[in-house]
Amino acid sequence: SQTIHQWPATLVQPVGSPLSLECTVEGTSNPNLYWYRQAAGRGLQLLFYSVGIGQISSEVPQNLSASRPQDRQFILSSKKLLLSDSGFYLCAWKLSGGYGYTFGSGTRLTVV
Amino acid sequence: AQSVAQPEDQVNVAEGNPLTVKCTYSVSGNPYLFWYVQYPNRGLQFLLKYITGDNLVKGSYGFEAEFNKSQTSFHLKKPSALVSDSALYFCAAHTGRRALTFGSGTRLQVQP
Repeated sequence: SQTIHQWPATLVQPVGSPLSLECTVEGTSNPNLYWYRQAAGRGLQLLFYSVGIGQISSEVPQNLSASRPQDRQFILSSKKLLLSDSGFYLCAWKLSGGYGYTFGSGTRLTVV
Repeated sequence: AQSVAQPEDQVNVAEGNPLTVKCTYSVSGNPYLFWYVQYPNRGLQFLLKYITGDNLVKGSYGFEAEFNKSQTSFHLKKPSALVSDSALYFCAAHTGRRALTFGSGTRLQVQP
């Protein structure tokens, strides 16, 4: 069966520090991968999505970047965090051409 | 551009009463519609989806939703609410391109 892992679960980082959040999927090949951010416990904003290794589409220009170095690995990064980067970050995957999205358990990032 | 609207920030209902959480969508082409539930500090759990076929879709935990093309709506319903149904509910849509677009979320509060 397929599983999705996100880590860490929580993270407290100072302003100006770098960020690396990792998401991996097991049990499938060539998934579509997504990063969403949820602010203040409400709506979800699509940040990045990827349909293959090295292919990244950015939805919102901002202080973050994403990379997909391996087929089932999706990394969200920042060189210098801002206070406004605080939020709940969710990774998701789906089969290419499929309809069902599966979400990871999320990372709560607090920038102080 | 596609968008999803959840007009109610919060819905309050007494345990045992029927509940409805509203969702309307605006997408080009045939919509694929989803409902997800989120418990505090957790990822999103899939409840149900409409792809094609019968307009009444049954999902997890006794929830169902009705696709209404003329009203561009996909309201979530349950005949008898439970206190454990209290959570944040998201409606989402996509047309096979890009990624899921989410509504702003509706907090369901079921009172004992």
